[in-house]
Amino acid sequence: KQEVTQIPAALSVPEGENLVLNCSFTDSAIYNLQWFRQDPGKGLTSLLLIQSSQREQTSGRLNASLDKSSGRSTLYIAASQPGDSATYLCALGGGATNKLIFGTGTLLAVQP
Amino acid sequence: EAQVTQNPRYLITVTGKKLTVTCSQNMNHEYMSWYRQDPGLGLRQIYYSMNVEVTDKGDVPEGYKVSRKEKRNFPLILESPSPNQTSLYFCASSWGQRGSPEAFFGQGTRLTVV
Repeated sequence: KQEVTQIPAALSVPEGENLVLNCSFTDSAIYNLQWFRQDPGKGLTSLLLIQSSQREQTSGRLNASLDKSSGRSTLYIAASQPGDSATYLCALGGGATNKLIFGTGTLLAVQP
Repeated sequence: EAQVTQNPRYLITVTGKKLTVTCSQNMNHEYMSWYRQDPGLGLRQIYYSMNVEVTDKGDVPEGYKVSRKEKRNFPLILESPSPNQTSLYFCASSWGQRGSPEAFFGQGTRLTVV
């Protein structure tokens, strides 16, 4: 059974700092990995999707990498801003049912 | 604007009173699903649909029903809600096998059953 873990569970950084969020999974036979952010009382916003044949994706200040052999993905946020404060979730998806298996989440607080 | 729309956003109901949470997407996606989010348990899939008239159980389907009569709509039905169904519910859609697997989520429905 696939298990997805995110470390750290919570992180507080000063504004402007570069940071890395980690996502680990137990089964390397994945189809894709997606990073989301969730703001309090709001839905999930898709940030980046990495398909199994890719190693990284970039969008603005965000960069996500995928290493299937080691069962890890990282989300790098450059020059963090208070508006980046949210819960970040990684999810493994695909297969016949296209089901997403979510990680435990990292609560990020960026202090002004 | 491409989006997944859920209604209502907030709902308080009593045990046993049937309710429906609607979900609609405007991206012509084939695949739709429902998740519930609970503290300490994360997001878990309730039901999913690969296309019109094709639905199947996810990981936590007990107490829920779904239907997929049209491609854009995927309502979640609670025939006899119980307090353990108090949760935050999300609807999601994606292209599934025929295109990008990127999933798009609705804004969520916070359900309280008393």
